[in-house]
Amino acid sequence: GDSVTQMEGPVTLSEEAFLTINCTYTATGYPSLFWYVQYPGEGLQLLLKATKADDKGSNKGFEATYRKETTSFHLEKGSVQVSDSAVYFCALSKRGSQGNLIFGKGTKLSVKP
Amino acid sequence: KAGVTQTPRYLIKTRGQQVTLSCSPISGHRSVSWYQQTPGQGLQFLFEYFSETQRNKGNFPGRFSGRQFSNSRSEMNVSTLELGDSALYLCASSWTGTSGGAGPDTQYFGPGTRLTVL
Repeated sequence: GDSVTQMEGPVTLSEEAFLTINCTYTATGYPSLFWYVQYPGEGLQLLLKATKADDKGSNKGFEATYRKETTSFHLEKGSVQVSDSAVYFCALSKRGSQGNLIFGKGTKLSVKP
Repeated sequence: KAGVTQTPRYLIKTRGQQVTLSCSPISGHRSVSWYQQTPGQGLQFLFEYFSETQRNKGNFPGRFSGRQFSNSRSEMNVSTLELGDSALYLCASSWTGTSGGAGPDTQYFGPGTRLTVL
């Protein structure tokens, strides 16, 4: 079945370090891909999305490129801040699906000052 | 514009009881999805409602049910609670809920209801 695999966490970085969180997916057809972020005690917030191959989603300094040839959607940020500490979820949505996002397990990021 | 709201934020119940959780979507959104989040299983899709009809359902037992009202507000019910039902229950709303040719219909999440079953 369809699935999303994320790198295991937790990830601990120093402020201003470069961030990469790996995400790969298994799905038939052409899914849309998302990164959501969850801050402590809160729900999920959409961080960025991409709907077709080679699309790059970006928001708040975060970027991810939809790579169909490697079935990947890795999240990157050039310089992380303490405020980026959160859990990051990669997800996919199949075309024609109704309200069903398939999520990875999540990667906890801690950024130290 | 108000976001997705969920009530209550916290609930404590005992095994065998039932519980009802409520979700109010963003104004104008007609699709509401529910997810269960646990440390072991992560985020799992429960069901989705659109125009008062359940269109899609995840792999959960029949103890989990839901409904949607004409104003798009949704409730989910869990009967005969088990210890394993302890989780964060998240609701998400979107315009149509369907990922279509023009791109996905983005889901916006509420803060969740934390259910603890003792």
